[in-house]
Amino acid sequence: QKEVEQNSGPLSVPEGAIASLNCTYSDRGSQSFFWYRQYSGKSPELIMFIYSNGDKEDGRFTAQLNKASQYVSLLIRDSQPSDSATYLCAVNGNGGSQGNLIFGKGTKLSVKP
Amino acid sequence: GAGVSQSPSNKVTEKGKDVELRCDPISGHTALYWYRQSLGQGLEFLIYFQGNSAPDKSGLPSDRFSAERTGGSVSTLTIQRTQQEDSAVYLCASSSRHSLQEAYEQYFGPGTRLTVT
Repeated sequence: QKEVEQNSGPLSVPEGAIASLNCTYSDRGSQSFFWYRQYSGKSPELIMFIYSNGDKEDGRFTAQLNKASQYVSLLIRDSQPSDSATYLCAVNGNGGSQGNLIFGKGTKLSVKP
Repeated sequence: GAGVSQSPSNKVTEKGKDVELRCDPISGHTALYWYRQSLGQGLEFLIYFQGNSAPDKSGLPSDRFSAERTGGSVSTLTIQRTQQEDSAVYLCASSSRHSLQEAYEQYFGPGTRLTVT
């Protein structure tokens, strides 16, 4: 069974700093990678997705994918207190269920003013 | 446009009762997914629909769980003879497309918090 691993945190960064969130996955054949943000008591919100090796930038967010090393990361520049949330990494399923997502347990980020 | 909606937002039920949870996906989205999130746990995949068909039911925890989708739109997740371990937030997501080879963006509803007493 494919596994997606994340450090549970909490990861604490000062306001304005860069937050770096990491995720590793077990299946070298994984193709699709997603980052979701989940505020306490709320449902996950899609932030970014990435399919190709390298970096993908969207505003303050950058997703980085390294398939050879089997990790995907999310960088948040100029972190704000409103970025404080749990960040979930998701990878496509395996076998005949590659259209499904397998989620990590998330990293809790705390941005201190 | 409107996002994914779910009802009820909260449901408290007694052990042994049946419950129905409803999901209304984003208009035009052909794929629909059900997940469960227990306190402090990750999201657990339950089932997905492509149109009205559910090709993969292997994620359903037991035969007390069933789901259906009608008209390629609204889906209902039914839990029969609820147990305390069924207490969780049940999340529904939809996507404009689904492939057997790769995953696409999924958008989540607000969830239904189920408490079994």
